[in-house]
Amino acid sequence: AQTVTQSQPEMSVQEAETVTLSCTYDTSESNYYLFWYKQPPSRQMILVIRQEAYKQQNATENRFSVNFQKAAKSFSLKISDSQLGDTAMYFCAFMMYSGNTPLVFGKGTRLSVIA
Amino acid sequence: ETGVTQTPRHLVMGMTNKKSLKCEQHLGHNAMYWYKQSAKKPLELMFVYNFKEQTENNSVPSRFSPECPNSSHLFLHLHTLQPEDSALYLCASSQAGGPGQVVSYTFGSGTRLTVV
Repeated sequence: AQTVTQSQPEMSVQEAETVTLSCTYDTSESNYYLFWYKQPPSRQMILVIRQEAYKQQNATENRFSVNFQKAAKSFSLKISDSQLGDTAMYFCAFMMYSGNTPLVFGKGTRLSVIA
Repeated sequence: ETGVTQTPRHLVMGMTNKKSLKCEQHLGHNAMYWYKQSAKKPLELMFVYNFKEQTENNSVPSRFSPECPNSSHLFLHLHTLQPEDSALYLCASSQAGGPGQVVSYTFGSGTRLTVV
């Protein structure tokens, strides 16, 4: 079975600064997807960024980028130029490669952006 | 609005009540999921339906009973719940074109359930 571990329950960052959220996972699969989701107080689970395991290049989406280390099974999220609207719970998630398969989530990291 | 709608948004029920949670998706997805989100715990997968067929039941107590009458609707029927069942219940849907094709995965806003 796959597991996802987020070791930072809470983090804070000053507005306009950069913050990195950590995620490690365990799987025997070689092909899979990794995700970062954001959950603001509205409870809506919003996809931030996605990485396909077969791609060596790290995914980027505007201010969000990942550091994907497949051998180390590590998948960290870097948020640059942090904004107040980035305040939310962030969840790392794993999904196997084929068909409709469930997401496996970590416990989440609560990020607070401070003005 | 994400295309996945959950009702009600909030629900308070007694331990002897029977209630149902509803999820509806208008995205043409062919799989739907129920997740339970409790404080300080990872989201827990409860049930998976692929093409209206239940393909996974993640050791969920029988006081939770899912129903998927068609690929657009998913229900979670609740009866004789316990206070520890209080949580946010999230519905999601997905569409996979086939092995290796990127899956589109969308969540609803959840139902906040309180059992008293």
